[in-house]
Amino acid sequence: DTEVTQTPKHLVMGMTNKKSLKCEQHMGHRAMYWYKQKAKKPPELMFVYSYEKLSINESVPSRFSPECPNSSLLNLHLHALQPEDSALYLCASSQVGVGTGIRRELFFGEGSRLTVL
Amino acid sequence: DQQVKQNSPSLSVQEGRISILNCDYTNSMFDYFLWYKKYPAEGPTFLISISSIKDKNEDGRFTVFLNKSAKHLSLHIVPSQPGDSAVYFCAASAKGAQKLVFGQGTRLTINP
Repeated sequence: DTEVTQTPKHLVMGMTNKKSLKCEQHMGHRAMYWYKQKAKKPPELMFVYSYEKLSINESVPSRFSPECPNSSLLNLHLHALQPEDSALYLCASSQVGVGTGIRRELFFGEGSRLTVL
Repeated sequence: DQQVKQNSPSLSVQEGRISILNCDYTNSMFDYFLWYKKYPAEGPTFLISISSIKDKNEDGRFTVFLNKSAKHLSLHIVPSQPGDSAVYFCAASAKGAQKLVFGQGTRLTINP
């Protein structure tokens, strides 16, 4: 079972709204990630949580706020976004970290398609 | 500084033939390599990986070859099927690192 579940699949929000993206995995993975992907581009790393602690923030604007309530859940809180933030937001998980362990694969969810009006 | 490069933005192959996707890297610290397949509006799907201690890994129709001296890897798909039409991303990680480095992707089209 290599499933990472993301909700909602689609989200439309105005620039003054507050919304959240949710991600869940039940593979016992201890590292979770948020990526952003624009059309025809590779995924772009935003945040990494390792053992429920934020370990990487790739200089993401504060209008994106991650949260890891427990080892299975990862949220991305959105506030005062800009139209250029419209993209596919991908959650991913790995067994430990992508640089450690024997199995270093990253498993992605289906993504949440965000449109900011 | 693009550490992982996929120099072919697109590739077109006849159904039933072999598809070969290529990837080059510059960082000698990379020791684990992966291939992902992506359909539009979906998340990338993990296909196959290879550790730097190996030079080949095979899984069904997919084989990844690693040439460490040339800092080059390739993904072979044989026989190619219409459902293989997608964007393929090569990715790499270094021991102790916390993130994958992705290539720009190659769009593979399988023609009937």
